[in-house]
Amino acid sequence: AQSVTQLDSQVPVFEEAPVELRCNYSSSVSVYLFWYVQYPNQGLQLLLKYLSGSTLVESINGFEAEFNKSQTSFHLRKPSVHISDTAEYFCAVSRTNTGNQFYFGTGTSLTVIP
Amino acid sequence: EPEVTQTPSHQVTQMGQEVILRCVPISNHLYFYWYRQILGQKVEFLVSFYNNEISEKSEIFDDQFSVERPDGSNFTLKIRSTKLEDSAMYFCASSEAPGGGFFGQGTRLTVV
Repeated sequence: AQSVTQLDSQVPVFEEAPVELRCNYSSSVSVYLFWYVQYPNQGLQLLLKYLSGSTLVESINGFEAEFNKSQTSFHLRKPSVHISDTAEYFCAVSRTNTGNQFYFGTGTSLTVIP
Repeated sequence: EPEVTQTPSHQVTQMGQEVILRCVPISNHLYFYWYRQILGQKVEFLVSFYNNEISEKSEIFDDQFSVERPDGSNFTLKIRSTKLEDSAMYFCASSEAPGGGFFGQGTRLTVV
């Protein structure tokens, strides 16, 4: 079975400071990895994903995540956060077979402080 | 930009009543999912659907739940006899292939 651990439930950070949201996964088979963001009172939005190829993936709004197979991690980073980045961030995995479910972590609440 | 659409955005129902949550997946997608998120908890998988049948379901998806794709565009989740603990945000998702489901905005179900 697959599982996802997000080590930090809440991360407060000052505006323009760097941030790292940690994600570790457990799986006996190969997986795809995802980060989703949920803004207050909104649905889940795909932020970025790792399927194959380069282990460093980037989003359009400055976030990046690096797949580390040896450490089974997929940490999310941003060098300089904005107030608008305040949201809940969920790490998720799915098996690489067709149509399989996502396994979500418990989420990390990122609060950007002015 | 294509999106998954869910209706209604919020539904209040009395315990024991049946509810149907509706979803319109992205048109060329083949795989459909329902997830739920109880307030303050993680997003939980309910069921996946492909080729007009359930391909995978979780322990949560018991006999009171059912899914249907009644036509070429809609994907519904029915809860036959709602319980208080069914109160949650329900998310529909679809994907063309493995690698990143597109999620709808969710339906907040409140059972009173």
